Amino acid sequence: GEDVEQSLFLSVREGDSSVINCTYTDSSSTYLYWYKQEPGAGLQLLTYIFSNMDMKQDQRLTVLLNKKDKHLSLRIADTQTGDSAIYFCAEPSGGYQKVTFGIGTKLQVIP
Amino acid sequence: DAGVIQSPRHEVTEMGQEVTLRCKPISGHDYLFWYRQTMMRGLELLIYFNNNVPIDDSGMPEDRFSAKMPNASFSNLKIQPSEPRDSAVYFCASSFGPREGREQFFGPGTRLTVL
Repeated sequence: GEDVEQSLFLSVREGDSSVINCTYTDSSSTYLYWYKQEPGAGLQLLTYIFSNMDMKQDQRLTVLLNKKDKHLSLRIADTQTGDSAIYFCAEPSGGYQKVTFGIGTKLQVIP
Repeated sequence: DAGVIQSPRHEVTEMGQEVTLRCKPISGHDYLFWYRQTMMRGLELLIYFNNNVPIDDSGMPEDRFSAKMPNASFSNLKIQPSEPRDSAVYFCASSFGPREGREQFFGPGTRLTVL
């Protein structure tokens, strides 16, 4: 079955770049997602990438996809204190709408 | 639209009591999901509905849990009887569209504490 793995915690200084990594299992996934969860709130889609792309850039966010290694990463440039949150990697899992989420990486930004 | 609405936001109950969590999805969305989030297990899908019909309830922990969606604008998740290990944050999410890759919109969650 599908399994998405992430590290649990990342701490960076304000202004530095953050890189959050994820490995997934289903090579047939057509989309891969990053969701963000701020304290006390539900998850919110941050960005996604089609599986036929290697990279997607959106302002301070860069998503890199290595299909051979089934590795996905999210880079946040010039990390701000407002970026402190939990970031979830996710892939579709058996069914059009069902999604498997990783356990989430808690990003702590130190001022 | 107000987004996905969940109630209550916090629930504290005693072991053995019935708990009912409520969700109003975004109008027009045809998929509704119930998730549970804990520190140990992360985010787990409990059940999801399409056009008010349960599609996959394989994530429902046991018979103490049940979920219904009587109409397109309401769903509830019941736990009876509740146990301390049910303590978690329960999220409802909705999405629209038959194709893979549709964004799920999450509610703010219900934090359940079972004493």
